Amino acid sequence: NAGVTQTPKFQVLKTGQSMTLQCAQDMNHEYMSWYRQDPGMGLRLIHYSVGAGITDQGEVPNGYNVSRSTTEDFPLRLLSAAPSQTSVYFCASSLGRAGTEAFFGQGTRLTVV
Amino acid sequence: GENVEQHPSTLSVQEGDSAVIKCTYSDSASNYFPWYKQELGKGPQLIIDIRSNVGEKKDQRIAVTLNKTAKHFSLHITETQPEDSAVYFCAASRRGQNFVFGPGTRLSVLP
Repeated sequence: NAGVTQTPKFQVLKTGQSMTLQCAQDMNHEYMSWYRQDPGMGLRLIHYSVGAGITDQGEVPNGYNVSRSTTEDFPLRLLSAAPSQTSVYFCASSLGRAGTEAFFGQGTRLTVV
Repeated sequence: GENVEQHPSTLSVQEGDSAVIKCTYSDSASNYFPWYKQELGKGPQLIIDIRSNVGEKKDQRIAVTLNKTAKHFSLHITETQPEDSAVYFCAASRRGQNFVFGPGTRLSVLP
C-alpha cells in the first residue's frame, strides 16, 4: 500500500516555465488537496477536490490549476512559474473533507529562478 | 473564516522533560482538532486528534487537551526522546470546511 505518491521530489524551474506536479493515491479516498508550505506560514491550501470531476479553490489558488479526472490522480499545474511559487508542495488525501485523517505525500521541493 | 494560532514557534527541551504546544482557534463551530508531526524531508503525519465532545485524549506519551470555552487545545509530550524532534502542526476543521493549519512548532529534544 503506497498511500500518497508525489513526483518529482525536487524541481528547478526558470521563471515563465510550466510544469505539472503529480499526485496519486491508492486508498480510494474521495477528498484530495494540494498545500504549499512556506517558513513560518504552515500549510496553506491551494486547491482541493471532493471527488472525480469536482475541484475548487483554496486559500492561495492564483497561478495554479488542477483537474480530477479519476479518483486516484490529482495533478497540480503551474502555467507560468514565478519566484513567489518557490515552496514545498504537499498533496494529501482523506476519506472526507474534514473530520478524518489526512494522508500526505512526501512533498515536492520547487525552486523557481 | 477559521484562524489558527500556534505557540511557541520553536521549543527546545532536554531529553526526558515534557513539551507543551498550544493552539487557539477562532471558529466556535470547529469540532475536529488533529495534530501532525513532520520529520525532516517528509510529509506531515497524524499523531493524535480530538473531537469537540471530548476534553482529553491520550496515546502513550502523547496527550491532547481541548478547552472549548477558551477555544484552545494543547499537545503534551512526556518523557521526550530525540526522535520526538520534528515540526508539529495543529489544525482545526468543521463539517463542510477544509482544515486550517497552525504555522507550526519546531521541537528540538537535546540529548
